[in-house]
Amino acid sequence: DVKVTQSSRYLVKRTGEKVFLECVQDMDHENMFWYRQDPGLGLRLIYFSYDVKMKEKGDIPEGYSVSREKKERFSLILESASTNQTSMYLCASSLSAGAGDTQYFGPGTRLTVL
Amino acid sequence: GENVEQHPSTLSVQEGDSAVIKCTYSDSASNYFPWYKQELGKRPQLIIDIRSNVGEKKDQRIAVTLNKTAKHFSLHITETQPEDSAVYFCAASIVGNNRLAFGKGNQVVVIP
Repeated sequence: DVKVTQSSRYLVKRTGEKVFLECVQDMDHENMFWYRQDPGLGLRLIYFSYDVKMKEKGDIPEGYSVSREKKERFSLILESASTNQTSMYLCASSLSAGAGDTQYFGPGTRLTVL
Repeated sequence: GENVEQHPSTLSVQEGDSAVIKCTYSDSASNYFPWYKQELGKRPQLIIDIRSNVGEKKDQRIAVTLNKTAKHFSLHITETQPEDSAVYFCAASIVGNNRLAFGKGNQVVVIP
């Protein structure tokens, strides 16, 4: 079974803090994704990576950055957290870009910014 | 980019009845259409997908149909059970493209 794990299930941070969300997958997947999930807005793509050190902006990259130094690990960074970044953050991975590969999601991190 | 819309946003059905969720997409080049189910407090998981070279696919009580001309695809759940209560997300992409465009999700409530 593919396993995607995220470093925290719940996180509370203060406005202005730098926040790191970590995601690890154990199936040698090429692609990794960070989504934000808010009620009524569905899953919105923040950033994705198709290879080590490679990244592409998604639909809502403002206020976020990412890092992928190793194939299995993809980090989402909030440089200066703001209250409007309070949300559920979901990481996902998929094998490759070909043939419409399944995305496997992590359990999510519920981030609250006070 | 691709825009995927889901209707209705909430659907309540009596246990044993059928549920149908419809999605429309904008990019005629899209050729891969998965459906994800997210139960309360859990992660989204793929339940069924379809590629544009087929019009229908079934897996036990769930099926997906695709109308490429009209650019819409639908999820059909027959003989609904309480465990079908969840949020369902449709998505679309072009095979070979890394990313999926997700709809906003449908809340399905199965009433016992």
